[in-house]
Amino acid sequence: GENVEQHPSTLSVQEGDSAVIKCTYSDSASNYFPWYKQELGKRPQLIIDIRSNVGEKKDQRIAVTLNKTAKHFSLHITETQPEDSAVYFCAATPNTGGFKTIFGAGTRLFVKA
Amino acid sequence: GAVVSQHPSWVICKSGTSVKIECRSLDFQATTMFWYRQFPKQSLMLMATSNEGSKATYEQGVEKDKFLINHASLTLSTLTVTSAHPEDSSFYICSARDPGSISSGNTIYFGEGSWLTVV
Repeated sequence: GENVEQHPSTLSVQEGDSAVIKCTYSDSASNYFPWYKQELGKRPQLIIDIRSNVGEKKDQRIAVTLNKTAKHFSLHITETQPEDSAVYFCAATPNTGGFKTIFGAGTRLFVKA
Repeated sequence: GAVVSQHPSWVICKSGTSVKIECRSLDFQATTMFWYRQFPKQSLMLMATSNEGSKATYEQGVEKDKFLINHASLTLSTLTVTSAHPEDSSFYICSARDPGSISSGNTIYFGEGSWLTVV
């Protein structure tokens, strides 16, 4: 089955700086890669996703890149703000085997004002 | 957009009793729903895949007789934690796959989550 690794586990940046979170996946059948932001006690919120037919997607301050050959994808947050502080999860969903979304371990992002 | 509703948000039960959590897709018919468990400061771990009209598929290490899943309709899946014990206390969250169009076929929508505390 799919295995997703995520790094770093904790990331601290100064307000206004950029933050990058990296993930790798193992199942070449995965073709959908969502990123979720989870605040304490709340459900994960989808912030951006990318499908395997594109290499990059951007939405305002958030961008995601995908390298299918290397099986890795990254989340980039520019001009970070304190409200970006949360836990971020990457995930991969194969288009076979029941479409199970498998999550990375999570990255706790601290944005210091 | 698609919405998945989960109920209850919080539940406290006594050790040895059972508790049921509901997951509903409000805007679409979900033939497949997923149940996850999240312990504090950990990631979301897939427990089982709920299949409408058939038996759920459980991940390795998850006791199917303890975590009963029923997916009797295209919009409702339930998770029943039977004979709950304090170690079952966790955040349980469901998700549903919107089959939709090809472009959105793998989009996953999450419920609000349910905090279970077993005392």
